[in-house]
Amino acid sequence: SQQGEEDPQALSIQEGENATMNCSYKTSINNLQWYRQNSGRGLVHLILIRSNEREKHSGRLRVTLDTSKKSSSLLITASRAADTASYFCATDAWGDDKIIFGKGTRLHILP
Amino acid sequence: ETGVTQSPTHLIKTRGQQVTLRCSSQSGHNTVSWYQQALGQGPQFIFQYYREEENGRGNFPPRFSGLQFPNYSSELNVNALELDDSALYLCASSYGTSGTNEQFFGPGTRLTVL
Repeated sequence: SQQGEEDPQALSIQEGENATMNCSYKTSINNLQWYRQNSGRGLVHLILIRSNEREKHSGRLRVTLDTSKKSSSLLITASRAADTASYFCATDAWGDDKIIFGKGTRLHILP
Repeated sequence: ETGVTQSPTHLIKTRGQQVTLRCSSQSGHNTVSWYQQALGQGPQFIFQYYREEENGRGNFPPRFSGLQFPNYSSELNVNALELDDSALYLCASSYGTSGTNEQFFGPGTRLTVL
């Protein structure tokens, strides 16, 4: 079974709007990462947030982590056509070298 | 500095055959992880190699095996192929174990089992 579950499964927004994706997980984690994948190709790392962090920024990306709710969110501001992709969260647990990916959110930016 | 490369890009095999997929890690990286991604799903962790030793394994049967070489490149071997093995196989390299460090992914090998 997969640790992370992204919500929504699919999202379509107009270019220029903000996109928010959520990830929930079941067990305590060490780190949580967000990745982007274009059209079934290799994944690109976006942000890593550690369990003792609450928020991180990288350019137009903002990630939050709420360990009490076992959830994370990824916000993409001022979306662009190039942001059209699938977004995955991935978690690892303390003392475990496995990384578990969710099923992803498919984001489509409309022109 | 070269990125992560995988070969071959596409592969078609028949049920029962064996396959070897290859991955060259990014320069300076000592960890390689392998993932299986079925259509419409997230990547599933197969195993990770750190300094030539298996260091973590997902829920895959023993017919999925691997190697990491002294130059940190890696192979994924799958024996007795089944139809459900059809998927995109991704490798990723990192400096240090994959949970704590940024992974760099290759473009993947698309395996079709007939």
